[in-house]
Amino acid sequence: DGGITQSPKYLFRKEGQNVTLSCEQNLNHDAMYWYRQDPGQGLRLIYYSQIVNDFQKGDIAEGYSVSREKKESFPLTVTSAQKNPTAFYLCASRETKNTEAFFGQGTRLTVV
Amino acid sequence: QKEVEQNSGPLSVPEGAIASLNCTYSDRGSQSFFWYRQYSGKSPELIMFIYSNGDKEDGRFTAQLNKASQYVSLLIRDSQPSDSATYLCAGEGANAGKSTFGDGTTLTVKP
Repeated sequence: DGGITQSPKYLFRKEGQNVTLSCEQNLNHDAMYWYRQDPGQGLRLIYYSQIVNDFQKGDIAEGYSVSREKKESFPLTVTSAQKNPTAFYLCASRETKNTEAFFGQGTRLTVV
Repeated sequence: QKEVEQNSGPLSVPEGAIASLNCTYSDRGSQSFFWYRQYSGKSPELIMFIYSNGDKEDGRFTAQLNKASQYVSLLIRDSQPSDSATYLCAGEGANAGKSTFGDGTTLTVKP
């Protein structure tokens, strides 16, 4: 089955820790995206990548980092510099610009 | 002003009624528009996309785009309780490479 997989589904982070969220797709899509969603809010773009080995900052990139070393993988690291990381994180991929985005099932990150 | 704004909710309609969800956008360069449905605690899934002025129908769903007024809407006919969800509007410029999402409108369909 083709799809996009995020792991883990739930993640707990201690203050001062870096954590990495995984996102893998087997849809052969060029573009991949990371969004953050807070309760009752829409999706805010953190980082995106339109091609392997290249990525751009979104609207709220501070405190986050990404890599795109392989077409199918786009991991997101939430660093200790992100002061309020508790949120629902969604990864998406799509074939190209102006097409439908396919979302993973999300990772719910909580600071403890 | 936010780039994509959706009508404030929540919106409640009785079963069988028409639900109307509205979205305005500020970037005149926006060319593609997407409506996603998101059930509570789940990830969004595409309902409709529209690129051209006018109406686009798919089953019980109709998307309407008016570029002159910078307005996009989604109509859901014969609303069902299973349509209860948050609906996200997203717009994108021709070469932007990324969509901008509104905050969503939560719809409740009451049996």
